[in-house]
Amino acid sequence: NAGVTQTPKFQVLKTGQSMTLQCAQDMNHNSMYWYRQDPGMGLRLIYYSASEGTTDKGEVPNGYNVSRLNKREFSLRLESAAPSQTSVYFCASCRRADQPQHFGDGTRLSIL
Amino acid sequence: RKEVEQDPGPFNVPEGATVAFNCTYSNSASQSFFWYRQDCRKEPKLLMSVYSSGNEDGRFTAQLNRASQYISLLIRDSKLSDSATYLCVVKTSYDKVIFGPGTSLSVIP
Repeated sequence: NAGVTQTPKFQVLKTGQSMTLQCAQDMNHNSMYWYRQDPGMGLRLIYYSASEGTTDKGEVPNGYNVSRLNKREFSLRLESAAPSQTSVYFCASCRRADQPQHFGDGTRLSIL
Repeated sequence: RKEVEQDPGPFNVPEGATVAFNCTYSNSASQSFFWYRQDCRKEPKLLMSVYSSGNEDGRFTAQLNRASQYISLLIRDSKLSDSATYLCVVKTSYDKVIFGPGTSLSVIP
């Protein structure tokens, strides 16, 4: 009964390094999302994928790329990490737009 | 103006109190509405969906006013375990999701 699984849970990077955050869901959900959460800012949508094969920008897409590899997996890539990308990243999925999202445990990313 | 706004908080209330959270949204095309709670350093968890007719789940009551673009959450008989941040969530018809900044609640013995 895994739900939404994110890896890794913690990561420290140096400025300029690249990294891919992985997300997988086993609930056969159509839509998947990546958020970042910063103190005092709430959750902000980076990218989302309404269905397999489609991706769209959210509120804060700059500096990130995504891949909807298949229906289960939605990865988030930082090509050249910057200290401003230090945050907690959450992946989420849902079956349809009118249904609530299920969240992963989060990835705590620090960029030095 | 932010797309989803919430009471800034924090709310500090005694056990047993009734507390209400307000949320407003700017996109009239918004279709679905939810309240999530988030405990410190944990992932958000669904508290309840919000339906046009209003809905209740135990001590929690959610209301939606589409004309005023306003959502509310009422918690009756607050428990210590209700201490958390409450997030208002709005989904548009094209599956875009916006979270409010959250309102922090501390229930005090």
